[in-house]
Amino acid sequence: DIQMTQSPSSLSASVGDRVTITCRASQAINNYLAWFQQKPGKAPKSLIYAASSLQSGVPSKFSGSGSGTDFTLTISSLQPEDFATYYCQQYDTYPPAFGQGTKVEIK
Amino acid sequence: EVQLLESGGGLVQPGGSLRLSCAASGFTFSSYAMTWVRQAPGKGLEWVSAISTGGASTYYADSVKGRFTISRANSKNTLYLQMNSLRAEDTAVYYCAIIRDGSSSSPGVYYYWGQGTLVTVSS
Repeated sequence: DIQMTQSPSSLSASVGDRVTITCRASQAINNYLAWFQQKPGKAPKSLIYAASSLQSGVPSKFSGSGSGTDFTLTISSLQPEDFATYYCQQYDTYPPAFGQGTKVEIK
Repeated sequence: EVQLLESGGGLVQPGGSLRLSCAASGFTFSSYAMTWVRQAPGKGLEWVSAISTGGASTYYADSVKGRFTISRANSKNTLYLQMNSLRAEDTAVYYCAIIRDGSSSSPGVYYYWGQGTLVTVSS
């Protein structure tokens, strides 16, 4: 099975900061990589699929990049509504696997 | 507007059974594969099971294989998860989600999620 490892597990940032979260797969996943945002008590929300494609309605401050086994999610200018936990997920093969999450907190 | 409404969660004793439902609306349910994902309290996301559009193909995580059964009723726009032989480690919020671009080899994109239903396994 493919393992997904995110870093960092948590980070503190200020409003307006540029934030980058990384995700590494244990083997190449053909860019079948998604990112989700989850706020406390809420369902996950799809942000990005195919490593860099933005879901409809997601603001362009979110961007994804990477290939092979190494991927990143970038938030260009952090806003109060962006404080949440972010998960990556590979959907190249079964079983699909999520990273352990990155909690973005207010500094 | 796309809506997914999970129900059927609750408190159950170890070894017991529960059936979760996910009522779908706002899209053509029969055209999309569906999935269940769970999240234990304070923990991350764990994929549980998936089903193809017509229900002929099903997929399970090793942790639930042989105990859980996914099914769907396209005439009722409803997804199900029958959970038997429940264990304390099955305690979690269970989410259903719509899959886009899935196939027999690729799980696909989980592009819309319901709000979840809590299952607690405890004596």
